[in-house]
This record gives sequence, structure tokens and C-alpha cells, in this order.
Amino acid sequence: RKEVEQDPGPFNVPEGATVAFNCTYSNSASQSFFWYRQDCRKEPKLLMSVYSSGNEDGRFTAQLNRASQYISLLIRDSKLSDSATYLCVVMDTGRRALTFGSGTRLQVQP
Amino acid sequence: DAGVIQSPRHEVTEMGQEVTLRCKPISGHDYLFWYRQTMMRGLELLIYFNNNVPIDDSGMPEDRFSAKMPNASFSTLKIQPSEPRDSAVYFCASSFDSGLVQPQHFGDGTRLSIL
Repeated sequence: RKEVEQDPGPFNVPEGATVAFNCTYSNSASQSFFWYRQDCRKEPKLLMSVYSSGNEDGRFTAQLNRASQYISLLIRDSKLSDSATYLCVVMDTGRRALTFGSGTRLQVQP
Repeated sequence: DAGVIQSPRHEVTEMGQEVTLRCKPISGHDYLFWYRQTMMRGLELLIYFNNNVPIDDSGMPEDRFSAKMPNASFSTLKIQPSEPRDSAVYFCASSFDSGLVQPQHFGDGTRLSIL
């Protein structure tokens, strides 16, 4: 079983739609959580950190459920420019390296 | 500000040859990471350094891979001898320690093809 599991998609949605991605992690020692975005043939870039209380950044909302070891990302009013692969990422206690999920591909269509 | 700089951007070579990938982290960053990305395995950590010292190399696939960080502004990842299964995109990333978890900044990657 992979340490971080994501639905690979692709998710094909029209502009303006709301889309949600889910992620589960297996290591209960995981301490920090992130969503990264990766465009085709580009490097991963931090989209947002995920906090226990949930957090929002414009059209993006991230949620964390430590008891269920579950992370989510909600994108509202999706734009064409949101088309990318979204990577769920965890960091273990005491270890600085990131563990990446395989990513969920989003394609927003006009 | 300059980001993480990797070279070369692309490398195509024949199996058995030595390959050296280079990385310059962001100035002031004391953590440096090497990741590899393939379609089959996704993004996976190979090794990371803190203050130029290797901390965790458990992701290095085998003895053919080695990494060094001779100073705070330079690191290399070497594959000798290279094999076709080493074909992947290799990313270098850096971050700094402020007592809080800081995001890692990735370079553009080196796209490696071993024929």
C-alpha cells in the first residue's frame, strides 16, 4: 500500500465548476500536510499548506482529518488555468523530506 | 531572486556512461533534497542534506547512485554506470529551517534519458 493515496483522475470539469480531491495517508506520524500543483513538464509548486482547523486561500479550501488520516482540497469556480496535476504531500515527524501522492489530474474545459 | 538552479536541463546518454546532475540551492537555504519522478513511481525522495551533511539516503536506489554537497551552494547527483531504468526527471529542492516547516522550492529538473 502506498504511503499517500490519491485518485489519479483525470477529473474533467467545465469552467466555474466546484471540484474536490481527496487523499489518504498511512503514516500516523505524519506531521505536516500540503497540496502541491504540477503543470505538465514543470516542477511541483506549493499550492497551500493544510492545517488541522482547515484553511482557505481564495477559491481553494483545504481540510485535514487526523483521526481518519484524510486530506481534501476543494476548488471553487474553477478556471482554465487550474488545469494541472494536484499532489497531496505529507511530511513525517522529525524528517524533513516530503512524501508525495501520485497526483490527481484536473482538466478544466471551456 | 534566483530560485533553485539545476543543470543540465536535458541529458541523453548511452547506458554505461557516467551521469552527473548539478544543483545550486537558494542562497541561505540549509536543506537540499534530490527527488526523482517517473510515470510508474511518481515523485520519490532519493537523499537529503542539512548544512551540507547527508541526513537520509534511504531512497538512493543502489550503489550506482551517489550524491555530494561540498559546500552550501552546490550539490551533485552522480549515476555510474547509468542504466535505461534510470531514465526519469530528477528534481533538486531546497528549504530553510526557521523552527517552523518551510515550503520546499524546486528547480526546473533535469530530464534524463539513458539509451
